[in-house]
Amino acid sequence: AQTVTQSQPEMSVQEAETVTLSCTYDTSESNYYLFWYKQPPSRQMILVIRQEAYKQQNATENRFSVNFQKAAKSFSLKISDSQLGDTAMYFCAFSRANNLFFGTGTRLTVIP
Amino acid sequence: EPEVTQTPSHQVTQMGQEVILRCVPISNHLYFYWYRQILGQKVEFLVSFYNNEISEKSEIFDDQFSVERPDGSNFTLKIRSTKLEDSAMYFCASKALRGSGGSTDTQYFGPGTRLTVL
Repeated sequence: AQTVTQSQPEMSVQEAETVTLSCTYDTSESNYYLFWYKQPPSRQMILVIRQEAYKQQNATENRFSVNFQKAAKSFSLKISDSQLGDTAMYFCAFSRANNLFFGTGTRLTVIP
Repeated sequence: EPEVTQTPSHQVTQMGQEVILRCVPISNHLYFYWYRQILGQKVEFLVSFYNNEISEKSEIFDDQFSVERPDGSNFTLKIRSTKLEDSAMYFCASKALRGSGGSTDTQYFGPGTRLTVL
């Protein structure tokens, strides 16, 4: 069974600073996908970044980047130059062929 | 940019009543999903749908739930006899078929329907 663990229920960061959200997962699959989704107070699920397990290069998307350690089954999200609009719940998710498995989320607050 | 839409945004119903939640997936997508998020908890997979049939479902998706693609654009989730514990946010998502362009292994979510069962 696939499990996704986010060990930080809440985090805060000063505006313009950098923050890293951690995520670990457990799977016996060799090919899979990992995602970070953002859920602002509106509760909409917004894709932040995705990583394909067979790619060694870490994905980046503007201020967002990941540190993907396949052997350690770790997939952390780094947010650089944090902005007030980054305040949200962040969910790490794992996908094999079909459905997504989500972690319990990290509530990030960006402090002005 | 194409997006998944869901209606209604908020549905209030009495326990025991039937509800139908509606979704319009992104037009060239062929995999469809329903997820549920009880307030304060993580998002949970309910069901996936491809080629006009259920491809996978979770333990949550019991006989009270059904899905349908009644036409070429809508994808619906029906709860036959709602219970108090069905109160949650319900998200629809869709994914492209490989070869049709876009990030084919990425699911794109709708804004959700908040279901309140009284």
